[in-house]
Amino acid sequence: NAGVTQTPKFQVLKTGQSMTLQCAQDMNHNSMYWYRQDPGMGLRLIYYSASEGTTDKGEVPNGYNVSRLNKREFSLRLESAAPSQTSVYFCASRASKDTEAFFGQGTRLTVV
Amino acid sequence: AQKITQTQPGMFVQEKEAVTLDCTYDTSDQSYGLFWYKQPSSGEMIFLIYQGSYDEQNATEGRYSLNFQKARKSANLVISASQLGDSAMYFCAMRGPSGAGSYQLTFGKGTKLSVIP
Repeated sequence: NAGVTQTPKFQVLKTGQSMTLQCAQDMNHNSMYWYRQDPGMGLRLIYYSASEGTTDKGEVPNGYNVSRLNKREFSLRLESAAPSQTSVYFCASRASKDTEAFFGQGTRLTVV
Repeated sequence: AQKITQTQPGMFVQEKEAVTLDCTYDTSDQSYGLFWYKQPSSGEMIFLIYQGSYDEQNATEGRYSLNFQKARKSANLVISASQLGDSAMYFCAMRGPSGAGSYQLTFGKGTKLSVIP
């Protein structure tokens, strides 16, 4: 099983450019998440989708948009990238509230 | 709002010794769940152990156990017989109460564990 697949793995953007991070899971999970990880800050929740058709803001949603395209796919869009969005981004999914989240391998994004 | 606190930015432990990584949480809800994850230097997130707030026994998974003290709002991870491969970042996380909030998963800032040969 592939689990949670994120693309791309690495990306360099110029300030003001836009891009979409893709995430897909093949475990039939209901919930999907986008986190960012910065040194000393742990993982901070950007957006999550409790189930297909719903999305909610997390702790740090500003500057991002998401789309739950179907049950498998959850994308994260940066409309106008800023250097403060330089980070490692993780997508995750889980089956229910009492089960563990499975993570993708991460996307290292640098905004110059 | 939920909050997870990991007060130890870094820790050292001698190989084969046991180590405890601290995690305290802040919630006013009765129903919640606590998770521990390991992140090696390669970057992937590895699930270790889960404790539900209504579980009467402390969770155990192999060399990992969770010292759950509900009244103190702490959920410390105990690793027995440390191995060199245990060197990694360790994150404590909490899911929210019943209802829509239960889908949120909030992480602490992590503890970097280094195992010394």
